[in-house]
Parts: sequence; structure tokens; C-alpha cells
Amino acid sequence: AQKVTQAQTEISVVEKEDVTLDCVYETRDTTYYLFWYKQPPSGELVFLIRRNSFDEQNEISGRYSWNFQKSTSSFNFTITASQVVDSAVYFCALRISGGYNKLIFGAGTRLAVHP
Amino acid sequence: GAVVSQHPSRVICKSGTSVKIECRSLDFQATTMFWYRQFPKQSLMLMATSNEGSKATYEQGVEKDKFLINHASLTLSTLTVTSAHPEDSSFYICSALRLAGGHEQYFGPGTRLTVT
Repeated sequence: AQKVTQAQTEISVVEKEDVTLDCVYETRDTTYYLFWYKQPPSGELVFLIRRNSFDEQNEISGRYSWNFQKSTSSFNFTITASQVVDSAVYFCALRISGGYNKLIFGAGTRLAVHP
Repeated sequence: GAVVSQHPSRVICKSGTSVKIECRSLDFQATTMFWYRQFPKQSLMLMATSNEGSKATYEQGVEKDKFLINHASLTLSTLTVTSAHPEDSSFYICSALRLAGGHEQYFGPGTRLTVT
């Protein structure tokens, strides 16, 4: 079975703090893709990153970084020096190869960044 | 980047009426589109996969006679909520699958349906 777990329901931080959002996935497939999306209050999903199962390199994009570890089936997302504009719900998602391109979403983590 | 639109962005309808939501891929053709429903403070739940020129594939527990999906062209899929009830009030999001460049789903901005 495929599953994505985001154990942190809500996180509250003060501006400029670093924050890590956890994502743990389950799949028996060897080929799969992992995603992170941001959903601001407007509701529109914003694509942040896609990672395939064969690429375990960590990635940094500005204040955002991602740590993919197959050994622990985790794909964690860190925001450095958080800002109020980072306040949103963040979803981790899994897509398996041959799964008709379906995305399996985690429950989401609501991040509130306070000034 | 690829653009997907949804119309309307918000709709209020009376209980018992039907409402149609459109999903368009504006700059690419999409043989496959997906419809999701999101209740407040919850995750996105896939309702159905819409395939151009054929019947939609519904997820378990989704009533196909209540949520009619039509994918009549390569750029348009519609979701019709028939005989809407207050419990159908939700945020409906579509996505379009772009085959070029990695089979990515591009999401529409969502439609907030309120049934009174």
C-alpha cells in the first residue's frame, strides 16, 4: 500500500526561525516520485519540488531545502529564516510508477509564521 | 509554466440544484485530468480520473451518478455536482496531466462550492 504521513498537524514559529516539515512515505515500488506543494490561504496549490526515487541528493532553493533519505523513507522540507509569507499549508505527495499518475497526498502541515 | 484554469472560482447554489465546474488546460493538451475534493483543514482527496473521450474512473466511495465528469476535449473537463446538498460544500480542485516533460500534474486554482 502507498501512504504519506505528515505527523505535524500544525507548527507555529516566529519569523526568522528555521523550521522543518516532516514527511514519511510508504511504498513497495522502487520507482516513485515525491513532491512538496504549498497551499496559501487563497487555496491554489503551488508546486515546490519533485524528486525521483533514484536521486537522493539534497536540494536547496533559496531559503528552502529538502532532505531525501530512502533509508528512513523520509523527504523532509526545511525553511530557513522563515517569513510571514511562508504561512501556508504544506503537502507532501507520492506518485508511484505505473500508478496512473495518481498523487497520494499527506494530511498536510499548517505552518504559521508570526512576526 | 503550464496553466490550468477553473471556472467558477466560487459558486453558491441551493440544495437540490446542479452546478457545473469547468477545468481547462490553457497552454497544453491534457488527455487526463484529475478531480480532487478538499474539506476544510483536510487534505486533497482524489475523486476521479477524467480521460478524454472515455468514461471517468472514480475512486472508491465516490458516487459517479452524483459527480458527473465529462472530458469532451483535450483541454476541457467538467465536473457536475447533481442534486447538490449542503454536505457537498467543499473546495474542488482539478489538475491536468502534462505528458511532455515528465508527466506532471498542473493544478487549477480551485472552486469553492457552497450549497445552502
